[in-house]
Amino acid sequence: GAGVSQSPSNKVTEKGKDVELRCDPISGHTALYWYRQSLGQGLEFLIYFQGNSAPDKSGLPSDRFSAERTGGSVSTLTIQRTQQEDSAVYLCASSLRGLFTEAFFGQGTRLTVV
Amino acid sequence: AQSVTQPDIHITVSEGASLELRCNYSYGATPYLFWYVQSPGQGLQLLLKYFSGDTLVQGIKGFEAEFKRSQSSFNLRKPSVHWSDAAEYFCAVGEGNTPLVFGKGTRLSVIA
Repeated sequence: GAGVSQSPSNKVTEKGKDVELRCDPISGHTALYWYRQSLGQGLEFLIYFQGNSAPDKSGLPSDRFSAERTGGSVSTLTIQRTQQEDSAVYLCASSLRGLFTEAFFGQGTRLTVV
Repeated sequence: AQSVTQPDIHITVSEGASLELRCNYSYGATPYLFWYVQSPGQGLQLLLKYFSGDTLVQGIKGFEAEFKRSQSSFNLRKPSVHWSDAAEYFCAVGEGNTPLVFGKGTRLSVIA
């Protein structure tokens, strides 16, 4: 595709439910990142995938959060047993070679936990 | 710990006036520096980046930024602001193989 695609664009879920957020990176990009943007808090790094290397999960806030990347392309961020504090915009980005090359961001998924 | 500070949460400027958005960082070595812009309802777009070399870098949309090692700063400037520049601006810093760390952003409003 022409850019990074994220789905759904909006998700409302009940507290305690699991959610899956999807990211389709730009074709050929080997690196993929997930960030979380909360109101007035900037972007919080969650996880980084680069090629076939083990992902950098150092930003995941709890073990309720996990992510995978299948076939070096599509990525899914899963949040289990959602809490109200998980409400935020989840942004995905991809880049051609990894760190220090331009990261292209998707429009994000706005998650609201009620 | 690595940190990025954007001291101004919200700035309002008149159309045609000059603009400077501040960014300060705390890193041990030479960082890699970026400015991104997020327009309402849009994703983040890279304005410019600094890796090495000339400390004054030019970006898209008429923006420039200057890396000042002595001040640990990477301020974004534009000589004449347009109404379409109203957006949220994020400074981001990276080092080594660590993912980018973003500031909390500065919201720019432009008035006639």
